[in-house]
This record gives sequence, C-alpha cells and structure tokens, in this order.
Amino acid sequence: GAVVSQHPSWVICKSGTSVKIECRSLDFQATTMFWYRQFPKQSLMLMATSNEGSKATYEQGVEKDKFLINHASLTLSTLTVTSAHPEDSSFYICSARDEGGGQVETQYFGPGTRLLVL
Amino acid sequence: GQNIDQPTEMTATEGAIVQINCTYQTSGFNGLFWYQQHAGEAPTFLSYNVLDGLEEKGRFSSFLSRSKGYSYLLLKELQMKDSASYLCAAMDSNYQLIWGAGTKLIIKP
Repeated sequence: GAVVSQHPSWVICKSGTSVKIECRSLDFQATTMFWYRQFPKQSLMLMATSNEGSKATYEQGVEKDKFLINHASLTLSTLTVTSAHPEDSSFYICSARDEGGGQVETQYFGPGTRLLVL
Repeated sequence: GQNIDQPTEMTATEGAIVQINCTYQTSGFNGLFWYQQHAGEAPTFLSYNVLDGLEEKGRFSSFLSRSKGYSYLLLKELQMKDSASYLCAAMDSNYQLIWGAGTKLIIKP
C-alpha cells in the first residue's frame, strides 16, 4: 500500500514552454501533498504544500505564479512550471501524506520527474 | 529556529554495522522519520519513531531520545545496495517535516 505515482518521469522542453507534472496517490486519499525540488547532490527543498480544495502554501522564495499547483481531488495534485527556463531544470518530487494509515502522518514519495529545459 | 543535523558522509565495510546520527530542534515534535534515497531516485520511507526507544525492522533499527533531541539509524550486515543517502526528518507541531541534508553512506567491499 501507500503508493504514489508521478507522471511524466522525464521531460525535455524548450525554454519558454510550460510543463505539467501530475502526482497521484494510488491506494489512499491525501488531503495534503507536497512538492519538492532537488538539484544534483543537494538536499530536498520543499517548494509548496498542496491542500485539497484550497490554495497551496508556498515556501519563501518560490514564485507561486511560476509554479502553479492544483489539488482538485483527494488523489491528484498537479504542478505546472510556467514559462520554463534552463535554471528550472531539476528533479521534481511529490509526496503525499497518508493520514489514515498505520503509520501516522507518513509521507510517501512519488518516483520523481526529471525536467530538462533547453 | 528549526534545525536538523546529520553527518554529510560516512563510509563502512560490507557486512559491518553503521550508525547514522541525527539531532533535531523543532517547534513542537510529532515524530522522527528516516528515509533512504538512492542516487537519482526519490526517497523511500524506512522508519518512524515518536516514543523513546529502539524500533527494529529487519537489518535496520531506529532509535529516538526525545529529551536529547536525538535519533540514530542503525544498519546491520551492510550490503552494497545499502549505499545511498539517508535522510532524517522531524515533524513539527504543524505536522510539517523538517529535513536534514542527508548522510551519504558509502559501502566498501
């Protein structure tokens, strides 16, 4: 149980285009999902907390108009990188909090999406 | 402020035991998590401690001392596949995870 999927796993796009990444909790409902970014050999950096049915909460320094988050259902959150630039190239990882499982409040991660902006 | 400290890198020998320490300071505390992250992959959940003491799960064990703000992850009978980064994360009073920078564990034959 507690499986989180992420799609796509790889994206290569041209500078200026927008990219949408989906995060799904497959076997549990997640009121809260998280979006992280990780640059090579660096630690996870929380970008935003996605709340079902309400606006996302962004971390300091993360542009909410550039990284659009939609959490329209209890199993799906999407992150759209708008007008992507080469500096946005990174490993984007989502996680979902299993609030009903045996392990309280455990976050389970999706496999990640590698974004390369040319 | 909130802070997690763990060593940057550790080296151990195949078949041996290694202990990865983590100290934390958070606003409130709702548990301590350990995750494993192989290079190029997302983290996977290893353990959760909220009460003092040792939790054993196969070759991996995790210990927590709330009074000391301290935890460790113990890996026994090390295998080459255990080479990875190990992330310590403490959950604060708002149920938000505060992440350490991770400990890169290198296993040598």
